[in-house]
Amino acid sequence: AQTVTQSQPEMSVQEAETVTLSCTYDTSESDYYLFWYKQPPSRQMILVIRQEAYKQQNATENRFSVNFQKAAKSFSLKISDSQLGDAAMYFCAYADGGSQGNLIFGKGTKLSVKP
Amino acid sequence: DADVTQTPRNRITKTGKRIMLECSQTKGHDRMYWYRQDPGLGLRLIYYSFDVKDINKGEISDGYSVSRQAQAKFSLSLESAIPNQTALYFCATSLDRDQPQHFGDGTRLSIL
Repeated sequence: AQTVTQSQPEMSVQEAETVTLSCTYDTSESDYYLFWYKQPPSRQMILVIRQEAYKQQNATENRFSVNFQKAAKSFSLKISDSQLGDAAMYFCAYADGGSQGNLIFGKGTKLSVKP
Repeated sequence: DADVTQTPRNRITKTGKRIMLECSQTKGHDRMYWYRQDPGLGLRLIYYSFDVKDINKGEISDGYSVSRQAQAKFSLSLESAIPNQTALYFCATSLDRDQPQHFGDGTRLSIL
């Protein structure tokens, strides 16, 4: 069974600095998708970024980028120029490329941003 | 207006009661999901549905049932609520297996 591991329960970053959140996953599939979701205190689940496993190029969305290392099964999220509004829980999620494509979530990393 | 709407937003009830959580969507997606979020555990899949006639159990379906009344509506029921079902419940939709899931704002359920 696929698993997703986020080894950092909590992280802290200074405003305007850069922080990297770690995620590793375990799968025997070659076709899959990876996601980062943000959950602010408002409890909404907001998609941050998406990566297709067959693409070597790392996905980017403005200040958010990923370091996707397929062989190492690693999918870290880098947040540049951190802002107070980035403070949230961040969840890494995996979906296999089969017919179901159900998401498997990590346990999350709580990010604090210091002014 | 929200694309994925969950009602109620919060609910407090007693052990043994039957509870229904409702989800409706205007995104036109066929795929709908129910998740449960507990502190320190992330989100876990309860049930999912790929169309009105296709409903499947997820990782933690015991104690729950669902109904897909229409493409746009997917309800989660707790037949006889127990305190360890106290959690934040999310409904989500997606266009296809490789597309992101879009979440409602969640229902916080407390069972006393």
